[in-house]
Amino acid sequence: SYVLTQPPSVSVAPGKTARITCGGNNIRSKNVHWYQQKPGQAPVLVINDDSERPSGIPERISGSNSGNTATLTIDRVEAGDEADYHCQVWDGSSGQVFGGGTKLTVL
Amino acid sequence: QVHLQESGPGLVKPSGTLTLTCSVSGDSVSSGRYYWSWIRQPPGKGLEWIGYVYDSGITNYNPSLTSRLTISVDTSNNLFSLRLSSVTAADTGVYYCATAYSSLSWFGPWGQGILVTVPS
Repeated sequence: SYVLTQPPSVSVAPGKTARITCGGNNIRSKNVHWYQQKPGQAPVLVINDDSERPSGIPERISGSNSGNTATLTIDRVEAGDEADYHCQVWDGSSGQVFGGGTKLTVL
Repeated sequence: QVHLQESGPGLVKPSGTLTLTCSVSGDSVSSGRYYWSWIRQPPGKGLEWIGYVYDSGITNYNPSLTSRLTISVDTSNNLFSLRLSSVTAADTGVYYCATAYSSLSWFGPWGQGILVTVPS
């Protein structure tokens, strides 16, 4: 089965840049989607197809995908960005696959 | 804009069957526009795709759940359902229904989620 690996936690000071990684075998060959999930709420899509921002998502949030690692980047981090972030891909054998999630803490 | 709302029991006995429904508004479950999906999240853990139903009957399930799982559509009531049999404490979590534009795409929108507990 296909596995996506995320760091359990990332910490960043306000105004700095946060980078959350999602590792998978040859992940560059797949479309990666990212979700933000705040406590007690359903996930919200923030990046689809590696780097596309849905309507309403600020330009501070971006995505990239290369080699075996996809990355979600949040520039000028704000307190409101504190949340769990999940990556997701489709794999022909496993179906839809999610990473374990990363808790972003704003210091 | 499609709106989804989960409903069902919050407590299921071990070895019993978990049954949830997702009421759909803003579109018809028989429109063919969406893959009607279920996703769950154990307490304090990540998301797990359960499966989807498409075009009023085509299904695709998580290989780890296939033997216990049925997802179906009720066109009369414009909803879709999940049945998971032989549940254990490992099936405890928040269950979300969601839409997808294709079998390969992202999910959204999502329902608010419903917590289901299977006591150990």
